[in-house]
Amino acid sequence: AQKITQTQPGMFVQEKEAVTLDCTYDTSDQSYGLFWYKQPSSGEMIFLIYQGSYDEQNATEGRYSLNFQKARKSANLVISASQLGDSAMYFCAMRDYLTGTASKLTFGTGTRLQVTL
Amino acid sequence: EPEVTQTPSHQVTQMGQEVILRCVPISNHLYFYWYRQILGQKVEFLVSFYNNEISEKSEIFDDQFSVERPDGSNFTLKIRSTKLEDSAMYFCASSLLGGPHSPLHFGNGTRLTVT
Repeated sequence: AQKITQTQPGMFVQEKEAVTLDCTYDTSDQSYGLFWYKQPSSGEMIFLIYQGSYDEQNATEGRYSLNFQKARKSANLVISASQLGDSAMYFCAMRDYLTGTASKLTFGTGTRLQVTL
Repeated sequence: EPEVTQTPSHQVTQMGQEVILRCVPISNHLYFYWYRQILGQKVEFLVSFYNNEISEKSEIFDDQFSVERPDGSNFTLKIRSTKLEDSAMYFCASSLLGGPHSPLHFGNGTRLTVT
């Protein structure tokens, strides 16, 4: 069974600083995808970044980067130069082939990030 | 940028009533999903749908729930007889591919309140 663990229920970061949100995963599949989503207080679920299990380079999307350590089964999200608008809940999630043709996305419990002045 | 749209944004219903939550997935996507999130809690998988049939469903998705793709654009979730514990945010999502390397794109959700 796949499992996503986010051990930080809440994090604070000062504006313009970088912050790392932790995520570890567990799967016996060799081919899987790791995703991060942002959920602001308004409730929508926004896709941020994707990392494939076979990718040798860490994924980057603007101020977001993913620190992928396959041997440790970790996929931490790094947000650089934090902005007040980054305050939100962040979810780590995974898809793999073990769950069938229409591979579902399994979520962690989330980390609430608060950016302060 | 194409997006998943959900209606209504908020639905209030009485216990025992039927509700239908509607979704229009991204037009070229082939895989469709429903998730729910009870306030402040984890995002839970309900059901996946592909090729006009259910691909997988969770233990939450019991006989009270059903999904349908009545035409080429809509994807609906029906709850036959709502219970208080069905109160949650319901998200529809779609993806282009069914494998693990394609992201799910979510709608803005329907907040269901059962009184």
